[in-house]
Amino acid sequence: GESVGLHLPTLSVQEGDNSIINCAYSNSASDYFIWYKQESGKGPQFIIDIRSNMDKRQGQRVTVLLNKTVKHLSLQIAATQPGDSAVYFCAETRGSQGNLIFGKGTKLSVKP
Amino acid sequence: DSGVTQTPKHLITATGQRVTLRCSPRSGDLSVYWYQQSLDQGLQFLIQYYNGEERAKGNILERFSAQQFPDLHSELNLSSLELGDSALYFCASSWEPGAYEQYFGPGTRLTVT
Repeated sequence: GESVGLHLPTLSVQEGDNSIINCAYSNSASDYFIWYKQESGKGPQFIIDIRSNMDKRQGQRVTVLLNKTVKHLSLQIAATQPGDSAVYFCAETRGSQGNLIFGKGTKLSVKP
Repeated sequence: DSGVTQTPKHLITATGQRVTLRCSPRSGDLSVYWYQQSLDQGLQFLIQYYNGEERAKGNILERFSAQQFPDLHSELNLSSLELGDSALYFCASSWEPGAYEQYFGPGTRLTVT
């Protein structure tokens, strides 16, 4: 079965607000957790990753938090913009082969 | 634009047929990955190649096969097609094998009727 999943299938936020997209995982052996963004009609695009021995990592307007105690991953987007509207996938990778195991995705809609 | 190209963009075919999907990785990338995206199964890893050699297999059916050529482009062959094979097929590439930062192409939408 799938070990990476999402709490909510859809999320609607107002432009300028912060967005939080959540993800649960079940495999403690995962090495990296990654967030991908998929805009309509396009392939997924890498956003940010976090190694399993870290709790937090920040990028440009995005922050990923990893809580290993409850096996929970979140992506925070600051000052959400219309261009952030997309489906967001969390993924995990294990071992040297690095195959990505994707969750089902959360659709983020940004209201102007 | 990720630099990964896939052809064709759309493909409509009948059950029982065979199709070939083509992928050209980003310039300089040696690794190619194939994924299937469907509504019921989500985004699933199929197979990975590195510099012409198969490196890892995922949920790839026996009716499906792939290869990576000396010029590093890759082809995914789908045979004895079934209605359930209708999906988006993505190719991704990276320079090093097993990289989690992969560059995805725009996908090929396969419809089996």
